[in-house]
Amino acid sequence: ETGVTQSPTHLIKTRGQQVTLRCSSQSGHNTVSWYQQALGQGPQFIFQYYREEENGRGNFPPRFSGLQFPNYSSELNVNALELDDSALYLCASSDKGGSYGYTFGSGTRLTVV
Amino acid sequence: RKEVEQDPGPFNVPEGATVAFNCTYSNSASQSFFWYRQDCRKEPKLLMSVYSSGNEDGRFTAQLNRASQYISLLIRDSKLSDSATYLCVVTSFDGGSQGNLIFGKGTKLSVKP
Repeated sequence: ETGVTQSPTHLIKTRGQQVTLRCSSQSGHNTVSWYQQALGQGPQFIFQYYREEENGRGNFPPRFSGLQFPNYSSELNVNALELDDSALYLCASSDKGGSYGYTFGSGTRLTVV
Repeated sequence: RKEVEQDPGPFNVPEGATVAFNCTYSNSASQSFFWYRQDCRKEPKLLMSVYSSGNEDGRFTAQLNRASQYISLLIRDSKLSDSATYLCVVTSFDGGSQGNLIFGKGTKLSVKP
């Protein structure tokens, strides 16, 4: 059973640029959520995808968008990057609506300069 | 008021000590409860789910009090390898999502020889 994989592991972007982060969910998991973790903080919920539809969104602006594909893999896109977008971006997958916990990928560390 | 609040820490304890973490949550509709462990610069990993009846896994005991909206984690006979940040997490099913995780800020534990 493969776990959750994310790519790339590290990324440096310039303010104003756009970035796409990728996530492959754990086999059998149909729900994917994205989280942003700033240094010294707990992860913050960005949005969730369930069967290719956005199914819940946290307090993030529209320049944060995503997709889920038929194989349940997912992308997070961030437009017009700001310095405060520098963070660890975590993807988590689950089955059964998350009642049994989520499995996290190792994250993408994004630095915006 | 933050949705999930934890002891700020850090907790610095000697090996063999017993340490307790406390957590409160504000949304009475929260349905699932977890403790996650996060090592430095790594992804969160599920430590254990938390049930109203209380549950134990080796040296770790978790308790949930729904009336008080309070969650606890007790670590007995602490080991050097227990050093990490412990995240209190609740799942909300508001807004039609399949359950998004709401994290506390985390409490850092350092176990010293």
